[in-house]
Amino acid sequence: ETGVTQTPRHLVMGMTNKKSLKCEQHLGHNAMYWYKQSAKKPLELMFVYNFKEQTENNSVPSRFSPECPNSSHLFLHLHTLQPEDSALYLCASSQGLQGAEDTQYFGPGTRLTVL
Amino acid sequence: AQSVAQPEDQVNVAEGNPLTVKCTYSVSGNPYLFWYVQYPNRGLQFLLKYITGDNLVKGSYGFEAEFNKSQTSFHLKKPSALVSDSALYFCAVRASSNTDKLIFGTGTRLQVFP
Repeated sequence: ETGVTQTPRHLVMGMTNKKSLKCEQHLGHNAMYWYKQSAKKPLELMFVYNFKEQTENNSVPSRFSPECPNSSHLFLHLHTLQPEDSALYLCASSQGLQGAEDTQYFGPGTRLTVL
Repeated sequence: AQSVAQPEDQVNVAEGNPLTVKCTYSVSGNPYLFWYVQYPNRGLQFLLKYITGDNLVKGSYGFEAEFNKSQTSFHLKKPSALVSDSALYFCAVRASSNTDKLIFGTGTRLQVFP
């Protein structure tokens, strides 16, 4: 897990707050991903970046705003969230869509609670 | 549409006994299949994957998985379970024709009792 790090590990925020989640990968990968993990639901892919370009936006509400300044860093900016956005947010990275066997490696996640 | 099913929410097994965690898939092309494990308050850890070749794939921590094309299954197995194997296990599939998404199952909680 040290290959992909996420900060903070826990975050509690009000619906009017603005916060950001940070992900950093130390694996030399070119693709990075944001997932949402809620109880009793499959992992939901939110965003994909490949070589810093966003290649996937899985119909995510605009209150979630991703940023990928370089291949090693990925941010998720949060504003005016709803209580149902409370979940574990996972970041992953991979070599970058070079084939269907491309393997994703995950960070430990940020546990977000929206009050 | 691509999908993955993990029919069991929870699997209970005694330590030392063999374990199986089931996964079935539905894809339109050749499947690329993955297993991940998630320990409490942690992210997903990659265990193993099937791309092509031998139907029996060996992975981390003594786990293996068997790809069965006719039954569209990719069950995770271990000959002798450990208490430390207790965790949440996820099966995932990527169809060869759609290389930018992993489709995950809902997860199976494995509980190994001493």
